[in-house]
Amino acid sequence: AQSVTQPDIHITVSEGASLELRCNYSYGATPYLFWYVQSPGQGLQLLLKYFSGDTLVQGIKGFEAEFKRSQSSFNLRKPSVHWSDAAEYFCAVARNQAGTALIFGKGTTLSVSS
Amino acid sequence: DVKVTQSSRYLVKRTGEKVFLECVQDMDHENMFWYRQDPGLGLRLIYFSYDVKMKEKGDIPEGYSVSREKKERFSLILESASTNQTSMYLCASSSRQGKPSGNTIYFGEGSWLTVV
Repeated sequence: AQSVTQPDIHITVSEGASLELRCNYSYGATPYLFWYVQSPGQGLQLLLKYFSGDTLVQGIKGFEAEFKRSQSSFNLRKPSVHWSDAAEYFCAVARNQAGTALIFGKGTTLSVSS
Repeated sequence: DVKVTQSSRYLVKRTGEKVFLECVQDMDHENMFWYRQDPGLGLRLIYFSYDVKMKEKGDIPEGYSVSREKKERFSLILESASTNQTSMYLCASSSRQGKPSGNTIYFGEGSWLTVV
């Protein structure tokens, strides 16, 4: 069955430092992968998505993610974190090739220290 | 901009009450979803619908039902609310056009339900 694992429950990063949030997936075929961000009390906003082509995907707010099939990973990165990036981040994979629904990881909470 | 609107942001209901959570989207999307979000568990799919009057069970449908009488509206129903259904409920929608597996799913801001 498809699944998504986000190994880190909570990460704290200094403002201006680089960030990497880990995501591992389990999926038999070519996965369709997503990263969402959720600010406190809000819904989810799409940061970026991958479904084919270049394995390095650029998203909004300066985020990027790299799809590595050999490692079953889709890690999210940002070179310099801003205080406003503090939020919860979710990695997700489409349930099947028809892709009507997503399976989410349990999320990583990012705190930014000054 | 795509807008997914959940009519109630905060609700407090009593055990045994019938609860309706309403969701409306304005982008003519075919697909609509209801997720439940709990701390440490992430988002879990309750039900989804890919067309009017069509519905599919997600991963945790027990204790819930849904209704989709119009394309833009998807309702989540708790027939007899219980305290373990206290949670944040998120509605979402997406298009089935083009490459549906790559289509963005848009989320509402969530409905916080407390069952006492």
